[in-house]
Amino acid sequence: DVKVTQSSRYLVKRTGEKVFLECVQDMDHENMFWYRQDPGLGLRLIYFSYDVKMKEKGDIPEGYSVSREKKERFSLILESASTNQTSMYLCASTTGYEQYFGPGTRLTVT
Amino acid sequence: GEDVEQSLFLSVREGDSSVINCTYTDSSSTYLYWYKQEPGAGLQLLTYIFSNMDMKQDQRLTVLLNKKDKHLSLRIADTQTGDSAIYFCAETYGGYQKVTFGTGTKLQVIP
Repeated sequence: DVKVTQSSRYLVKRTGEKVFLECVQDMDHENMFWYRQDPGLGLRLIYFSYDVKMKEKGDIPEGYSVSREKKERFSLILESASTNQTSMYLCASTTGYEQYFGPGTRLTVT
Repeated sequence: GEDVEQSLFLSVREGDSSVINCTYTDSSSTYLYWYKQEPGAGLQLLTYIFSNMDMKQDQRLTVLLNKKDKHLSLRIADTQTGDSAIYFCAETYGGYQKVTFGTGTKLQVIP
């Protein structure tokens, strides 16, 4: 079974803090994605990576950055967290037609 | 990404059929998907259809694709309480297996 794990299920941070969300997949997938999920808006793509050290902006990259130093690990970084980044963050990986998702991290910024 | 639209809520009685509808915009999509999200979990692929197909059936699930109208539907026969979840329609776009997701339809099954 493909497994995608995320470092935390719930996270509470203060405005202005630097936040790291980590995602690890165990299937040697080349492509990895970070989404945020908000009610009524569905999933929106923040960033994706198609290889180690390679990244591309998605639809809503502002306020975020990413890092992919190893194939299995894709990190999402909030340089200075703001309250409008309170959301559910989902990581996914794929090598074919199906995206495999992690369980999500619910981030609250106060 | 492209726009994928769905209604936000659907309520059905247990044992009835559920039909969840979706419209998409990218006529060049290769795959169209239905993902399911149960409470507190990530998304899981439920079924998919190639863009050159009109229909796909998989046990209680039937997917219908109308390419002319860019309309995709998911029918769940004999809906059970365990089918209560959010269902996302999605289409491929661009390269690198990127996918655009719809807003999700929350299915409530009434016992």
